[in-house]
Amino acid sequence: NAGVTQTPKFRVLKTGQSMTLLCAQDMNHEYMYWYRQDPGMGLRLIHYSVGEGTTAKGEVPDGYNVSRLKKQNFLLGLESAAPSQTSVYFCASSWPGWNIQYFGAGTRLSVL
Amino acid sequence: QKEVEQDPGPLSVPEGAIVSLNCTYSNSAFQYFMWYRQYSRKGPELLMYTYSSGNKEDGRFTAQVDKSSKYISLFIRDSQPSDSATYLCAMSGADTGGFKTIFGAGTRLFVKA
Repeated sequence: NAGVTQTPKFRVLKTGQSMTLLCAQDMNHEYMYWYRQDPGMGLRLIHYSVGEGTTAKGEVPDGYNVSRLKKQNFLLGLESAAPSQTSVYFCASSWPGWNIQYFGAGTRLSVL
Repeated sequence: QKEVEQDPGPLSVPEGAIVSLNCTYSNSAFQYFMWYRQYSRKGPELLMYTYSSGNKEDGRFTAQVDKSSKYISLFIRDSQPSDSATYLCAMSGADTGGFKTIFGAGTRLFVKA
C-alpha cells in the first residue's frame, strides 16, 4: 500500500518556467490538499479538493493552480515560477472531516 | 498573532529524558487536536489525536489538552534517539473557515544517545 505518492521529489526551475507537481493516493480518500512548508512558517494550505472535479483556495493560493480530474490524483501547477515559490510542497489526503491527514514525502522545489 | 503558536526549538535532551512539547492557540472553536511527527526530509505522520479536553496515552506518548487555557502538550517518556524529529501540533474545528486544519510551525527535537 503506497499511500500518498508525490512526483517529482526534487526540481530546480528558472524564474518564469512552469511545472506540474503530481500527487496520487490509493486510499480512496475524498479530500486532498496541497501545502507548502517554509522555515518558521509551518504548513500553509495552498489549495484543496473535497471530491473529484472540485477545487478550492486555501490560505496562500496566488501563483498556483490545481486540478482534480480523477479521485486519486491532485495536480498542482505553477504557471510562471518565482523565487518566492522556493519551498517544500506536501500533498495530503483524508476522509471527509479534515482531522487526520496522510502526507506524501514532499517535493523540494528551488526557483532560481 | 498566529492562530497557533509553537516554540521552534531546537530542544536537545539526553536519552531517557522526559520531553514536553507545547502549543498555544487563540481560536476557542478548535475541538480536534493532533500531533504529527516529521522526520528529516519526510512528510508529517500522525502521532496522536485528541478530541476536546483531557489526556490520551499511547505507549511512551501522552497528549494533553487544556481548552480553558488554550494550551496543548505532548509528553514523551523515556525518550530515544529515534524520537529525534520535528513535532507539529495541529488543530481544527467547525469554525476554522470550513473545517480546515491549522498547523503549528513545529518544534525540532534532538535526543542524544
